[in-house]
Amino acid sequence: DGGITQSPKYLFRKEGQNVTLSCEQNLNHDAMYWYRQDPGQGLRLIYYSQIVNDFQKGDIAEGYSVSREKKESFPLTVTSAQKNPTAFYLCASNGHSNTGELFFGEGSRLTVL
Amino acid sequence: AQSVAQPEDQVNVAEGNPLTVKCTYSVSGNPYLFWYVQYPNRGLQFLLKYITGDNLVKGSYGFEAEFNKSQTSFHLKKPSALVSDSALYFCAVRDFNKFYFGSGTKLNVKP
Repeated sequence: DGGITQSPKYLFRKEGQNVTLSCEQNLNHDAMYWYRQDPGQGLRLIYYSQIVNDFQKGDIAEGYSVSREKKESFPLTVTSAQKNPTAFYLCASNGHSNTGELFFGEGSRLTVL
Repeated sequence: AQSVAQPEDQVNVAEGNPLTVKCTYSVSGNPYLFWYVQYPNRGLQFLLKYITGDNLVKGSYGFEAEFNKSQTSFHLKKPSALVSDSALYFCAVRDFNKFYFGSGTKLNVKP
């Protein structure tokens, strides 16, 4: 079935370590997104990409990095520069329509020990 | 800038009663509005969207939403709530290639 796969589902890291979250989609969507979810704050946009080899910062990009080398893949790296990385991270994609909805993966929960 | 607001952190309703989850929006131009549902430790699932046309939009699982341009609202509704509807609900607005989400409303449906 078509969809978005995020891995790992749960991840623990020590302070000062970088960690990379995987996001793969087989929906043939051009646009992909990373959101961060914290309790009571809704979803905040970290990075998004409209096309391969191009991406833009969202509202909270500091301490994060991304790449878009393939249409299907949009990995997110949480660097040691991110002050408060413990959160639930959601990857999403969107098709060609200008009015279409986002499709979401199941999320990755990162906990910094 | 586009934005949405969900004024209620939590809504409580008895099973079988109608439910409403509120959302107001602020946009320049035509609003593209969405509702999503999230169960614990899961991704968001799309329920319905308003792009243009009929102000009453029907979606998945018996949910519907009413678009009101004069009140800049897009409230989610269901005639008869189920215990399984208990979840976190998000309203969102699309601005070209970016989506902005409300803070979410936790719906509790009690037997």
